[in-house]
Amino acid sequence: NAGVMQNPRHLVRRRGQEARLRCSPMKGHSHVYWYRQLPEEGLKFMVYLQKENIIDESGMPKERFSAEFPKEGPSILRIQQVVRGDSAAYFCASSPGQTNEAFFGQGTRLTVV
Amino acid sequence: AQKITQTQPGMFVQEKEAVTLDCTYDTSDPSYGLFWYKQPSSGEMIFLIYQGSYDQQNATEGRYSLNFQKARKSANLVISASQLGDSAMYFCAMREVNTGTASKLTFGTGTRLQVTL
Repeated sequence: NAGVMQNPRHLVRRRGQEARLRCSPMKGHSHVYWYRQLPEEGLKFMVYLQKENIIDESGMPKERFSAEFPKEGPSILRIQQVVRGDSAAYFCASSPGQTNEAFFGQGTRLTVV
Repeated sequence: AQKITQTQPGMFVQEKEAVTLDCTYDTSDPSYGLFWYKQPSSGEMIFLIYQGSYDQQNATEGRYSLNFQKARKSANLVISASQLGDSAMYFCAMREVNTGTASKLTFGTGTRLQVTL
C-alpha cells in the first residue's frame, strides 16, 4: 500500500507563473488536507477536502490559491501568479475518515525566483 | 492566540542519553488529540506518537513516550537512548475534535534536536 504521493518534489517557478501541486492519497483514503510550511516554521493548515467537496478552506489565502479533489485523480493545489512569499514546502496528508490519523506525503518544495 | 507552544528552539543530547522535548497546549475543547512528528533534514513528516485527551495511560511507541499532564496542559515527548539518527526537527501538534474539521492539526514551531557523540 503506497503512501501519500506528492509530485513534484521540487518545483521552481518565476514570479507571475502558475504552480500546480499534486497529491495522490493513500488507497482507500477519501479525505485530503493541505498544509504549508514556511522556512523555519511549523506547518499551517490550508484546506481540507473530500472527494469533489471543499470542507474547510479557512487557512487558504483569499486570492490566487485554489484546491480541488476530483472524483477521479489526485488532489491539486493551484497557485496563480506566484510571488516570492509563496516559496515554502507544501504538504498533503490523507485519512480514511474525518477523525482518523492523517498520513503525510513527502512534500513539494516550491521556490519562486 | 497560539495553541501549541514549544519553548525550546534547539536541544542537544548525547548519544544513548534520554531527552525531553516540551510541548504545552491550549484548548477549551474537552476532546482533542496530541501528536508528535519528526522532520529530518530530508523534509518528510514522520508520525511518532499520539495521545488522546481521554486516554488514561501515557502513550508509548518504542523509544518514544509521551508525558501527558492534562491539568498542566502539557504533552512532552521523551526519547530514550538517543541515537544519531534522532537528530531532526520535532513538532508537537493538536487536533481539536469540535472545530468541525476533526483532522485539522495545529502545529507548534518545532524543536531542533541534535544528538552528539
